[in-house]
Amino acid sequence: AQKVTQAQTEISVVEKEDVTLDCVYETRDTTYYLFWYKQPPSGELVFLIRRNSFDEQNEISGRYSWNFQKSTSSFNFTITASQVVDSAVYFCALSEGGSQGNLIFGKGTKLSVKP
Amino acid sequence: NAGVTQTPKFRVLKTGQSMTLLCAQDMNHEYMYWYRQDPGMGLRLIHYSVGEGTTAKGEVPDGYNVSRLKKQNFLLGLESAAPSQTSVYFCASSMRRYGYTFGSGTRLTVV
Repeated sequence: AQKVTQAQTEISVVEKEDVTLDCVYETRDTTYYLFWYKQPPSGELVFLIRRNSFDEQNEISGRYSWNFQKSTSSFNFTITASQVVDSAVYFCALSEGGSQGNLIFGKGTKLSVKP
Repeated sequence: NAGVTQTPKFRVLKTGQSMTLLCAQDMNHEYMYWYRQDPGMGLRLIHYSVGEGTTAKGEVPDGYNVSRLKKQNFLLGLESAAPSQTSVYFCASSMRRYGYTFGSGTRLTVV
C-alpha cells in the first residue's frame, strides 16, 4: 500500500539558515506523482511542486530546491536562507499512477523560522 | 475563476445534529475529494468521486455520506455529528493526477 512518511514533526531554525524537510514514500507502482504543499498559519494549502516518477532531475525555484531519489524513495525539500515567511506546515504527498487519483499525504512538518 | 469554493467556512454543531458541506468547482474537473485534517495527522481522505453520479470511500469514511449529483458539486453530509468529527475539512478537485486544486477549508466544531 502507498504511504508517505515525514519523520520530522517540528523543526525550528533561525532566519538565514538552510533547512531540509525529509519525505520518504512507499508505492508499488512504477508510475506515480509526488507533491509538496505549504500550509501557512492562515490555513490554506499552497501547491509548491509536482514531480513524476520518470523525472529524477532535481528542481530549483528561487530559495526552494527538491531532491528526488528513486533509489531511496525520497523526495526531500530544502529551503536556502530561510525567512520568517517560510514558517508553515509542509506536506509531502503521493498520487499513484493506477489509482483514482487519490492524493496520500504525510503527516506534515511544522517549520518555525525565528528572526 | 473561483476554483474550488467551500461553504460554509466555519460551523459549530451540537452532538447529534446534521449538516451538509458544499464543495463547488468551476474547472470542469472530473475528480473531487473530501479530506479532513486533524492535528498531527496530515490530511486523510474521507470520500472521493471520479465523475458525476459516482462516489467511493476513502481512508476514513465512517460517519459521513457524500453525493455528486452534478459534476461541479460534491456534498459531504454528517447525519449525526459527533465530537470526533471536529476537524478542518478540505475539498479538492483534479483532472486525474495532474493538478489538484484545494478549497480554503471548513472549520467544524462539534460540541
